[in-house]
Amino acid sequence: AQRVTQPEKLLSVFKGAPVELKCNYSYSGSPELFWYVQYSRQRLQLLLRHISRESIKGFTADLNKGETSFHLKKPFAQEEDSAMYYCALSGGATNKLIFGTGTLLAVQP
Amino acid sequence: KAGVTQTPRYLIKTRGQQVTLSCSPISGHRSVSWYQQTPGQGLQFLFEYFSETQRNKGNFPGRFSGRQFSNSRSEMNVSTLELGDSALYLCASSARGGFGTDTQYFGPGTRLTVL
Repeated sequence: AQRVTQPEKLLSVFKGAPVELKCNYSYSGSPELFWYVQYSRQRLQLLLRHISRESIKGFTADLNKGETSFHLKKPFAQEEDSAMYYCALSGGATNKLIFGTGTLLAVQP
Repeated sequence: KAGVTQTPRYLIKTRGQQVTLSCSPISGHRSVSWYQQTPGQGLQFLFEYFSETQRNKGNFPGRFSGRQFSNSRSEMNVSTLELGDSALYLCASSARGGFGTDTQYFGPGTRLTVL
């Protein structure tokens, strides 16, 4: 079955602390993995995708096929990082995204 | 470029009625996907349209349908509304479709409440 699991509903950290948002997936094949972010009162938007291997707003994510994980990391959290983060996968030649349930990141001052 | 727009932004309907939601993609985008977002089930894929053809369909009953017009605008329809259909319906557009996963741009959503 195709599934994305985000085990934490809420992650609260202090400003300047490291952040790791966990994402595990189940997929038979070679999926594409994404992180989407939704800031308060804003639209869902793409943060990064594994094939681009970019660092966006200081966030990075490494695809670990052995552990079927795609954890999102940032070394020093900022208050403006507070948002809802969704991990998602897509397989093959399709735009269908399978989302995790999301993790709310709260960065305390 | 203007972003993805969805109309209406809010809707209140009663059980048994039907509803039509509209999505205008970013200019030049040919693929439109629809998602349902609820607190219990999260974000779930409904269907994707590309060049007026449904390319992919999620696991929803036949009461949920959609279409895409020649200008890439898309509508989704839900017939015989049930209380459980109350949700935020999101539309996403991308430049391509079916040729590798493309970056999708989401609209603000339509909040449907079924009483």
